[in-house]
Amino acid sequence: AQKITQTQPGMFVQEKEAVTLDCTYDTSDPSYGLFWYKQPSSGEMIFLIYQGSYDQQNATEGRYSLNFQKARKSANLVISASQLGDSAMYFCAMTPRYSGNEKLTFGTGTRLTIIP
Amino acid sequence: DTGVSQDPRHKITKRGQNVTFRCDPISEHNRLYWYRQTLGQGPEFLTYFQNEAQLEKSRLLSDRFSAERPKGSFSTLEIQRTEQGDSAMYLCASSRIQQGVNEQFFGPGTRLTVL
Repeated sequence: AQKITQTQPGMFVQEKEAVTLDCTYDTSDPSYGLFWYKQPSSGEMIFLIYQGSYDQQNATEGRYSLNFQKARKSANLVISASQLGDSAMYFCAMTPRYSGNEKLTFGTGTRLTIIP
Repeated sequence: DTGVSQDPRHKITKRGQNVTFRCDPISEHNRLYWYRQTLGQGPEFLTYFQNEAQLEKSRLLSDRFSAERPKGSFSTLEIQRTEQGDSAMYLCASSRIQQGVNEQFFGPGTRLTVL
């Protein structure tokens, strides 16, 4: 079984500052993938970034980067130069890899509010 | 690529009624997932199709729930004899494995309210 823990229910950040959203995970799968999704008030889940458990480098996608620390089982999302449009719910998720189903297991999310 | 679409976007029904939701995945995606999201929680897995075969169902999916993907394209999720506890957002996602990554693309969801 897989488990994702997000300990920050809500965060307030000043516009243009960087923000780190915490995520820790637990799994017995030897190979797995870690994802971050953004969910604005409209409800749609928007893919942000992916990290494979055997990837040597931390993933980056524009202003998003994933701080992957395998020994600590953490996969924190860093958003640089935050913008008002970044206000949303953010979910960390994981899947086993090469297992057939590869369903996503999500955390409870962090609500990020960017202050002008 | 028009993305994943879901219909209806909102559904209000009375307890005991049956409801059916539809999901149209991205055309070249062979995998299709249904998730349920209640207020303040992350989405939870309900069921998974690869092409037309339903390969896994969560224990969350009681006998009142049934899902189909008859031709390996669109999928339907039916809830019979709805209960107030069924009120939630129902999310559909589709994917295909590319370079070992199963990136799931989500639709806008169907928000169900059971009165």
